[in-house]
Amino acid sequence: GQQLNQSPQSMFIQEGEDVSMNCTSSSIFNTWLWYKQDPGEGPVLLIALYKAGELTSNGRLTAQFGITRKDSFLNISASIPSDVGIYFCAGQFFNTNAGKSTFGDGTTLTVKP
Amino acid sequence: EAGVAQSPRYKIIEKRQSVAFWCNPISGHATLYWYQQILGQGPKLLIQFQNNGVVDDSQLPKDRFSAERLKGVDSTLKIQPAKLEDSAVYLCASSQRNSPLHFGNGTRLTVT
Repeated sequence: GQQLNQSPQSMFIQEGEDVSMNCTSSSIFNTWLWYKQDPGEGPVLLIALYKAGELTSNGRLTAQFGITRKDSFLNISASIPSDVGIYFCAGQFFNTNAGKSTFGDGTTLTVKP
Repeated sequence: EAGVAQSPRYKIIEKRQSVAFWCNPISGHATLYWYQQILGQGPKLLIQFQNNGVVDDSQLPKDRFSAERLKGVDSTLKIQPAKLEDSAVYLCASSQRNSPLHFGNGTRLTVT
């Protein structure tokens, strides 16, 4: 089946630093999604990317859909303590019925004040 | 807009017992998904419904897991009998056609 490789597995950074994480796949997707999951909660959508090469921002977050359609990255600028959590990438491939998302295993972010 | 509702939040059972989880999706979302999330891993799809029909259940362990969405709205996921390796968070998600998934807060299952 489809597999997503997400890296790094974990990051420990100082408040104010920038963060970069990425996701690669052996399969092509036509949508890339980035989610954040806080303890005890479900993943929450941060950014959705729908076109190869697309670069999209959401506040301090920026994500890009790779040209090959097999990768994506997420950047967080000027990190703050509430950025702590697990970040998941997901690839989605639409068929005639509906989209099914395949998830990476997450990047755990710790921000030290 | 109300989010995806799931219950219970937590469940502890002994192996070989049965358990059921309930999900109410966002109003108007035709597609409903059940994902299993084992500690330290990303969510893994178990089953996908489009209205009350199954679109994909290829990863559902059908010898012990079952799911239904009888009226195309609420859904129930059942495990019978449970095994130790079923300990995980069970996430329900819903979406409109070809749109990103919206997740509930999950049910944390512990099998002892």
